[in-house]
Amino acid sequence: GAVVSQHPSRVICKSGTSVKIECRSLDFQATTMFWYRQFPKKSLMLMATSNEGSKATYEQGVEKDKFLINHASLTLSTLTVTSAHPEDSSFYICSANSGVSDEQFFGPGTRLTVL
Amino acid sequence: GQQVMQIPQYQHVQEGEDFTTYCNSSTTLSNIQWYKQRPGGHPVFLIQLVKSGEVKKQKRLTFQFGEAKKNSSLHITATQTTDVGTYFCAGLSLNDYKLSFGAGTTVTVRA
Repeated sequence: GAVVSQHPSRVICKSGTSVKIECRSLDFQATTMFWYRQFPKKSLMLMATSNEGSKATYEQGVEKDKFLINHASLTLSTLTVTSAHPEDSSFYICSANSGVSDEQFFGPGTRLTVL
Repeated sequence: GQQVMQIPQYQHVQEGEDFTTYCNSSTTLSNIQWYKQRPGGHPVFLIQLVKSGEVKKQKRLTFQFGEAKKNSSLHITATQTTDVGTYFCAGLSLNDYKLSFGAGTTVTVRA
């Protein structure tokens, strides 16, 4: 089946620093990748939709200058949390869609802790 | 915007019993998908329902899509400890093809 990887799985950083999270589709080309944020015991909140070669589409309330998304190739999308603050601590999950079906394949997630 | 509501939030089940989780959308959907997230894991796709009134089964799991394509249910029979986790429904919007997740039903099983 389709596999999506995310790196790193966990990151702890100091307030004010930037953190980059990578999302890769390993065995298929992802026309679209999605970035979600999940708070403890809560649902997934869509942050942005990323299409290869074009600018990401951000959901209402998500700051595009704070959460930089780059979809440089059909297998890689990156999310950079700039000038991270403790309130940015969360579980960030990416998913990828191959364009063949509507199913989204989720990465294992990245646990970000900002001190 | 589109909202997807899911109930109950928590389901404590005796092993061997049945239970159902329900999902309702504020708007008509293109399709509805169900995902399962095990504790500490990430969501894994279970199934997709596309047609009005569609019913699909996966072993002990039965998924239904309402006639109006605005609601769905997941029924699990003879619950086992392997069913533990959070089940999310996710509705795909007709307009912008965005997937909106319900709040999830977290299932725990008493042996």
